Amino acid sequence: AQTVTQSQPEMSVQEAETVTLSCTYDTSESDYYLFWYKQPPSRQMILVIRQEAYKQQNATENRFSVNFQKAAKSFSLKISDSQLGDAAMYFCAYRSATSGGSNYKLTFGKGTLLTVNP
Amino acid sequence: DAGVIQSPRHEVTEMGQEVTLRCKPISGHDYLFWYRQTMMRGLELLIYFNNNVPIDDSGMPEDRFSAKMPNASFSTLKIQPSEPRDSAVYFCASSLMGVVRETQYFGPGTRLLVL
Repeated sequence: AQTVTQSQPEMSVQEAETVTLSCTYDTSESDYYLFWYKQPPSRQMILVIRQEAYKQQNATENRFSVNFQKAAKSFSLKISDSQLGDAAMYFCAYRSATSGGSNYKLTFGKGTLLTVNP
Repeated sequence: DAGVIQSPRHEVTEMGQEVTLRCKPISGHDYLFWYRQTMMRGLELLIYFNNNVPIDDSGMPEDRFSAKMPNASFSTLKIQPSEPRDSAVYFCASSLMGVVRETQYFGPGTRLLVL
């Protein structure tokens, strides 16, 4: 079974600075998807960024980018120019690319609580 | 386009009562997922449907939980009888597989408190 580990329960960053959230995963599969979701105090789960394992290029979405290291099974999220609105719980998630059975489910890490200081 | 809609947003009930949570997926999506979030267990999948058919219910904790999807635009998750340990946030998510992003989009969740 796949597992996702977020080793930083809490992180803090000063407004306008850069922060990196860590995520590692364990899988025997070669093709899969990785996601970062943001959960603000409203508890809404919001997709931040997505990476396909077969793509070597790291995904970017505005101020958010990832460092995907397939061999190391590492998928970190970098937030540049941090804003107060970035304060939230961030979840790393894995999904198999194999069709059928329970493969479409997302496996989540425990989350990292990000605080942004003004 | 409206996102995933869940109701109610909050539910407080007493142990032993029946609870029904509702979800309307994004129009055109062919997969629907029910997740539960607790402090102890984090986010975990309960069940998911493809074209209204349950595909994997291995995450449903016990027989007190049941889920249905009578049509493409509506699903329910029922707990009968409810217990205090069922207190959690329940999320519904939907996706359209086979297209580039294959991303699951989440509803706002239902916060359930069983007293």
